[in-house]
Amino acid sequence: DIQMTQSPSSLSASVGDRVTITCRASQSISNFLSWYQQKPGKAPKLLIYSTSTLQSGVPSGFSGSGSGTDFTLTISSLQPEDFATYYCLQTYDTPYTFGQGTNVEIK
Amino acid sequence: QVQLQQSGPGLVKPSQTLSLTCAISGDSVSTKSAAWNWIRQSPSRGLEWLGRTYYTSKWNSDYAESLKSRITINPDTSKNQFSLQLSSVTPEDTAVYYCARLNWGGKRFDYWGQGTLVTVSS
Repeated sequence: DIQMTQSPSSLSASVGDRVTITCRASQSISNFLSWYQQKPGKAPKLLIYSTSTLQSGVPSGFSGSGSGTDFTLTISSLQPEDFATYYCLQTYDTPYTFGQGTNVEIK
Repeated sequence: QVQLQQSGPGLVKPSQTLSLTCAISGDSVSTKSAAWNWIRQSPSRGLEWLGRTYYTSKWNSDYAESLKSRITINPDTSKNQFSLQLSSVTPEDTAVYYCARLNWGGKRFDYWGQGTLVTVSS
């Protein structure tokens, strides 16, 4: 199975801050990397797929980059509604595997 | 707009079979553009992909290796839905279960069900 290592596991930030979350795959996954936002009691919501493609309706403050094994999610200016948990996911091969999550908290 | 509506019991006894259904609107379970998946989430395991069913020229199913002996995911074309059955459950199967569409374009989970908390307890 492909292991996804996400960091940090949690971070504290203020509104307006730039936030970066990283995800490392245990082997190359080409660009089959997507990012999800999850709020308490809700299903994950797709933000970015194919490493850097913004899902329709997602604010442009979210961006993704990377290739091969190393990937990054960036929130350019944190908004109040962005406080949530974020997950990366590889869909290069089954079993599809998620990162452990990054909890973005208010400082 | 695609919507996935989950149904099924929230409490299952140990050794019994967990059964959930995901009704699809706005798309077809027989589409060749997507696969239909089950994912679960628990504090101990995080988000865990369980398996999928999808149609090419025939029906296909893939499962997580750790669950292969206990899991079945089936399409129901007459009701435009798909189901999850997990047999011989233990308390370790307690989790929130989600159904989700994997769009082959970009291989992304673009639509999710609302989630069902399933507790395994006597």
